[in-house]
Amino acid sequence: DTAVSQTPKYLVTQMGNDKSIKCEQNLGHDTMYWYKQDSKKFLKIMFSYNNKELIINETVPNRFSPKSPDKAHLNLHINSLELGDSAVYFCASSQDGTGAKNEQFFGPGTRLTVL
Amino acid sequence: SQKIEQNSEALNIQEGKTATLTCNYTNYSPAYLQWYRQDPGRGPVFLLLIRENEKEKRKERLKVTFDTTLKQSLFHITASQPADSATYLCALASNFNKFYFGSGTKLNVKP
Repeated sequence: DTAVSQTPKYLVTQMGNDKSIKCEQNLGHDTMYWYKQDSKKFLKIMFSYNNKELIINETVPNRFSPKSPDKAHLNLHINSLELGDSAVYFCASSQDGTGAKNEQFFGPGTRLTVL
Repeated sequence: SQKIEQNSEALNIQEGKTATLTCNYTNYSPAYLQWYRQDPGRGPVFLLLIRENEKEKRKERLKVTFDTTLKQSLFHITASQPADSATYLCALASNFNKFYFGSGTKLNVKP
């Protein structure tokens, strides 16, 4: 009965490839997020969706494209992977769009390594 | 741009003592501040939220203060235990739903 799940947990791939990370939450939350945590442990928001609509889109290369088929799922597709994309990617969810007031529930993370 | 600073050096304390972690910020006026715990290889786990009009919040052995004049939050763990060893992250947000995280401070509680 995992609250926020991500697949895969580890992803090793070559530069130039295209890959996807999937995220699902069973908490009934309206808002979902993607974060990137780099080697210095900074956690940076990339995208946020509320009821399948994009509400936050930080300065992220357009090689990154989120997709929310329904409010329980938020997937991240990355085209033409680069070395600098290597990081841990976390999915999170919160109860509603006012995420600032509500706690965020994080998934276990996906460690992406680009060779 | 906004800047959030947490002590990058690990904090080492003895079991039973109070651990105090600091979160300083500049160029920002957050409406909310949250603290999270992150264990190695895992996602952050929410601990406490404090609003800009609140000075202090408590939950069991945890206490958070928020000083908007000093632009600082302090996070205290009283009667610390080895199980409290982890990295602690602060996160700031305005009313616009966007969170900015610090890089975290690693706490080591020694028995």
